[in-house]
Amino acid sequence: TQLLEQSPQFLSIQEGENLTVYCNSSSVFSSLQWYRQEPGEGPVLLVTVVTGGEVKKLKRLTFQFGDARKDSSLHITAAQPGDTGLYLCAGAGNKLVFGAGTILRVKS
Amino acid sequence: NAGVTQTPKFQVLKTGQSMTLQCAQDMNHEYMSWYRQDPGMGLRLIHYSVGAGITDQGEVPNGYNVSRSTTEDFPLRLLSAAPSQTSVYFCASRPDRGIYSPLHFGNGTRLTVT
Repeated sequence: TQLLEQSPQFLSIQEGENLTVYCNSSSVFSSLQWYRQEPGEGPVLLVTVVTGGEVKKLKRLTFQFGDARKDSSLHITAAQPGDTGLYLCAGAGNKLVFGAGTILRVKS
Repeated sequence: NAGVTQTPKFQVLKTGQSMTLQCAQDMNHEYMSWYRQDPGMGLRLIHYSVGAGITDQGEVPNGYNVSRSTTEDFPLRLLSAAPSQTSVYFCASRPDRGIYSPLHFGNGTRLTVT
């Protein structure tokens, strides 16, 4: 069974701080997706990483796929209140597996 | 485009009642699916469909039925609701059967079973 563990489960920071959330597994994934979910809404795709070691940037968000394609990280620079939400990773192996998510709250 | 539309947004049922959660997409997506989201457990796949007339079970199918008579619609039926089915339900679609394509989610139905 492929499992994805996300850490931390909950993060509360002040506006302007930097943060990193992690998505780890003992399994190898062909690709990994990151989604953001706001309260009362469905998850929305942020990025897909495919190649081991790949780094993708989306404005202040930087996504990295581990060299062995077993883990990924999301780094946010100078967090803003609009970044508040639930961040989910999903690994594509023989099926799509979701992590439990990291709840991020950015206080102004 | 409306994308993926789910109705209702909220529902309260008594144990043993039945109901249907509606899902419609206007993107001509081949693949549609239902997930439930519970605190600390992530999104778990209930049922999915790779095209009209084709459905299959996901990770947690017990207590739920689905059908896919058209490309656009994929309703989820609870035959006899149980408190364990209290959850937030999401319908999601993607253009094809490949798991590498991103999922497009609806805004969810929050179901409470008392």
